[in-house]
Parts: sequence; structure tokens; C-alpha cells
Amino acid sequence: GESVGLHLPTLSVQEGDNSIINCAYSNSASDYFIWYKQESGKGPQFIIDIRSNMDKRQGQRVTVLLNKTVKHLSLQIAATQPGDSAVYFCAESLAGGFKTIFGAGTRLFVKA
Amino acid sequence: DGGITQSPKYLFRKEGQNVTLSCEQNLNHDAMYWYRQDPGQGLRLIYYSQIVNDFQKGDIAEGYSVSREKKESFPLTVTSAQKNPTAFYLCASSPTDSRYGYTFGSGTRLTVV
Repeated sequence: GESVGLHLPTLSVQEGDNSIINCAYSNSASDYFIWYKQESGKGPQFIIDIRSNMDKRQGQRVTVLLNKTVKHLSLQIAATQPGDSAVYFCAESLAGGFKTIFGAGTRLFVKA
Repeated sequence: DGGITQSPKYLFRKEGQNVTLSCEQNLNHDAMYWYRQDPGQGLRLIYYSQIVNDFQKGDIAEGYSVSREKKESFPLTVTSAQKNPTAFYLCASSPTDSRYGYTFGSGTRLTVV
């Protein structure tokens, strides 16, 4: 069945460095992808999204890249800050569907 | 401020009891969702509702029930039939099509005692 998975369960980076969080998806019919950030004890927050007709989208300090050929999604965080420490989820929305499927999440640790 | 509110933040349930988790939104979103989150795992869909008075089972609906009598409210009841209810429960809402991102509540942590 469809699944959204993450390559690394934890990622530790030095403050000021760039972070890259990866995600694989299996359903080529998915047409919408989202990254969420979840801080401890809180609900996930929408960070950035990308539609399947795009390869790249930039936000404030974040960039999402979509490679449909290998079904890969990544989230890049520039100049990582302590406040970026959280669990990051990628999610895919199936074309014509109503449900979003979430990956297991990657925990990002930022070392001062 | 528009948002989605879950209550209570912490809930303790005795064996054999039913408990109800509240979820209210003032975003005028048509769709609402309930997810369960266990440690080390992603979000698993319990139930979702696209419109008032209509809801659909998600991937792990057994042992749970919902109602959608008002657009703003989507309460989740964890019944005694749910054998392992200890988890973090998240409610979310979105415009009609989920491809516009979800707004999540702050969650309810349910513990069986």
C-alpha cells in the first residue's frame, strides 16, 4: 500500500549549519506534499508544501525539493537554530483523495 | 484568533471506561480529522468528517466513535473496546480538500490507569 517513509529517524546538527531531512514516498499518484514541524507536547504545524507540478519551493529559511523520478522529498533548513529542534513529518495527499498520509517523523537536534 | 482547541490536555481513563475528547474549531473548515500518535510512530487516522452529520472510518477506527453534529465540533469517544488507548490524540481541520494543509490542535494525552 501507499506509504511515506523517512530515511533517518534522528538528525543532529550544529547551530548555524544547514539541515536536510529526507523523505521517500511510494505512490506516484500523490500530487501534494507537505512538511510539518512538531515540538514536544504540541500538535504539528504546517511549514511548507509543494505540488507535484513543481520541483522546488522556498520559504523563509526552508526549501522543499521534490524529485518525482525517484519519489523523494527533502526539507532543507538554512542556518539551523535551536528553535528548529523538533520532529519533522512529511506527508502526502493522494490525488482526488481526502486523507493525508504521514511519515514516521525525523527528530532534529540542534547543538549549540 | 482562529484556531482549533482540544481539551483536556491530559486525560486518565480507568479500565472499562469510555472517555470523550473534545475538539472545536473556529476556522470555518469543513473537514475535521482525528489522529492517534504513538511514540516512534507517525500519525494514524482514526476518523474523518467532510461535512456535518457525515464521517468516515480511518485506518484504526475500531474501539473509537465520533459525531459531527456541528461544523465546529468533532468529539472523539474512546470506548472500552479500545484495548490499548494510551496515546497522544490529535485533532485537525482543513478546508474541503485536504490538499491545503491541516491545522492541528495541541493534542490530548490519554493514559489508562
